[in-house]
Amino acid sequence: EAGVTQSPTHLIKTRGQQATLRCSPISGHTSVYWYQQALGLGLQFLLWYDEGEERNRGNFPPRFSGRQFPNYSSELNVNALELEDSALYLCASSLLPGSTIYEQYFGPGTRLTVT
Amino acid sequence: DQQVKQNSPSLSVQEGRISILNCDYTNSMFDYFLWYKKYPAEGPTFLISISSIKDKNEDGRFTVFLNKSAKHLSLHIVPSQPGDSAVYFCAASAVLSGNTPLVFGKGTRLSVIA
Repeated sequence: EAGVTQSPTHLIKTRGQQATLRCSPISGHTSVYWYQQALGLGLQFLLWYDEGEERNRGNFPPRFSGRQFPNYSSELNVNALELEDSALYLCASSLLPGSTIYEQYFGPGTRLTVT
Repeated sequence: DQQVKQNSPSLSVQEGRISILNCDYTNSMFDYFLWYKKYPAEGPTFLISISSIKDKNEDGRFTVFLNKSAKHLSLHIVPSQPGDSAVYFCAASAVLSGNTPLVFGKGTRLSVIA
């Protein structure tokens, strides 16, 4: 069974540009989560999508946004990039909320570098 | 305000001995706890979880203990192996409150010395 996949692996942008990161969940998983791991910090929750709806967002500015498609894949968009947006962005998926199996399974991440 | 705390940034253990990684939480609504392992340049890998209705869960060499009154959980790895060297994250969620997103600690880097 294929795991969570993310693309691209690495992304280099300049300040002020926009970045788009993509994630495909494990087959059968309907929830997708985005996290940011900046250098020296733990995983910070960004966004949670389930069944195409945004269910929750973390303490990040509105220039961080995303969407979930009918096939449950997801995009994370970061507008007006700032230097401090440089981080590893991780996507995770899980079965339906409320399932007894709630573990989130992570992809390998996209390393975003803003110069 | 950090709701999930891993107060030890790093831990070194001899191969074959027990590794004990600790985690404290402050939110009494948390009712589901997970441990993840992360190697460099890879995403975190789920290790083991525990619901608040239990105080222990075991899976092979990994055991998680939960002390609700102390709001403390720990991961025991025995025997420790060099391949266990990684960063370990503790995470918590309030499932009964509607499956709130996971809140992660900052991680503990475990080094198992051969």
